[in-house]
Amino acid sequence: GAVVSQHPSWVICKSGTSVKIECRSLDFQATTMFWYRQFPKQSLMLMATSNEGSKATYEQGVEKDKFLINHASLTLSTLTVTSAHPEDSSFYICSAAGTGVTEAFFGQGTRLTVV
Amino acid sequence: GQNIDQPTEMTATEGAIVQINCTYQTSGFNGLFWYQQHAGEAPTFLSYNVLDGLEEKGRFSSFLSRSKGYSYLLLKELQMKDSASYLCAVDYGGATNKLIFGTGTLLAVQP
Repeated sequence: GAVVSQHPSWVICKSGTSVKIECRSLDFQATTMFWYRQFPKQSLMLMATSNEGSKATYEQGVEKDKFLINHASLTLSTLTVTSAHPEDSSFYICSAAGTGVTEAFFGQGTRLTVV
Repeated sequence: GQNIDQPTEMTATEGAIVQINCTYQTSGFNGLFWYQQHAGEAPTFLSYNVLDGLEEKGRFSSFLSRSKGYSYLLLKELQMKDSASYLCAVDYGGATNKLIFGTGTLLAVQP
């Protein structure tokens, strides 16, 4: 299957700082990328959908000014958690889908801990 | 609204067969996915159903009934390494591959 690389795998940051997470499709052009968040023992919750070159579409209840998403190219999307707080500590996972692809491929996930 | 239901936990014995059920009510339907997720890791793709019926892939099979809003994942010849969470996800339309996930079923395989 296709490869989606997510970086970093884990990050610890201080409350009030910002953290950037990258999601790259390594061997296909990702026209659409999705960002999910998963709290312990819960399922994945879709945060936003981004299409290359356009603004992301956020799910209800997700603050677009706090979770900045940029999808500047067909192989890279970034999620920036701004002014992070301890309640933002979670597992963030991206997935990427391309034209004509049945399934979306997931990155390895990023464990964010805000202290 | 969107709703996907799965049992929270299941236990099975090594070598046995287990069936994990999933029922869904969504505003649209493009297909249904099953993923396996080990703790602390990203989900890995197991199967995809878009038409009614059974899809078989090695030890894993998945069934779909669109009229009933129902799917199941069947795992045969269970191995200890199959202990994981199994997530049912529906592609509910709009952007392709826009998925809504069930809460997942935590399967424990015992010797």
